[in-house]
Amino acid sequence: TQLLEQSPQFLSIQEGENLTVYCNSSSVFSSLQWYRQEPGEGPVLLVTVVTGGEVKKLKRLTFQFGDARKDSSLHITAAQPGDTGLYLCAGERGSQGNLIFGKGTKLSVKP
Amino acid sequence: GAGVSQSPSNKVTEKGKDVELRCDPISGHTALYWYRQSLGQGLEFLIYFQGNSAPDKSGLPSDRFSAERTGGSVSTLTIQRTQQEDSAVYLCASSLGGGQKNIQYFGAGTRLSVL
Repeated sequence: TQLLEQSPQFLSIQEGENLTVYCNSSSVFSSLQWYRQEPGEGPVLLVTVVTGGEVKKLKRLTFQFGDARKDSSLHITAAQPGDTGLYLCAGERGSQGNLIFGKGTKLSVKP
Repeated sequence: GAGVSQSPSNKVTEKGKDVELRCDPISGHTALYWYRQSLGQGLEFLIYFQGNSAPDKSGLPSDRFSAERTGGSVSTLTIQRTQQEDSAVYLCASSLGGGQKNIQYFGAGTRLSVL
């Protein structure tokens, strides 16, 4: 059973388009993190959302944590080829910081 | 280097052989995590070390997997009698402390291929 469901699994768009990636669960998380991973490298943290309903912006990226802290979304405005990569959401449930990851969304932005 | 270092970057082994994967965390980080990333499966938690506390081994998939952390720094993940389903990228992460909201910094991983 996958605790965190990410959709879509794959996304191929043209430069300049907008997109949204979703991360859903039936479980409540104390916080949720979004990572970006490029081939041959480890994931790099983009943002952590903690409060239900929280919205955080990172340049063209907007992250939202659901009111019930069970889901999150990542919206990219005017995507650039440099946004290409694997986007992973991860939820923290225990007290030790162990992360439960979604399977990821592989984004390809074509020039 | 300033980041988490893992070695080797690639490992090819034959089924049934033992392998050791190494992780050098960021200096001063007390918490260390091992994850496995399989094709199409996302990242799977394996084991967690925090200071001198007993490690959380709840994610290890079988008793063929073990890990140790010597001197609170370098960690080694050992897989005995490797199987083809062990093929994956093994990622190590470290953070300043355990617990929630501590940022985990990941290494580039070791890509293990079991033939």
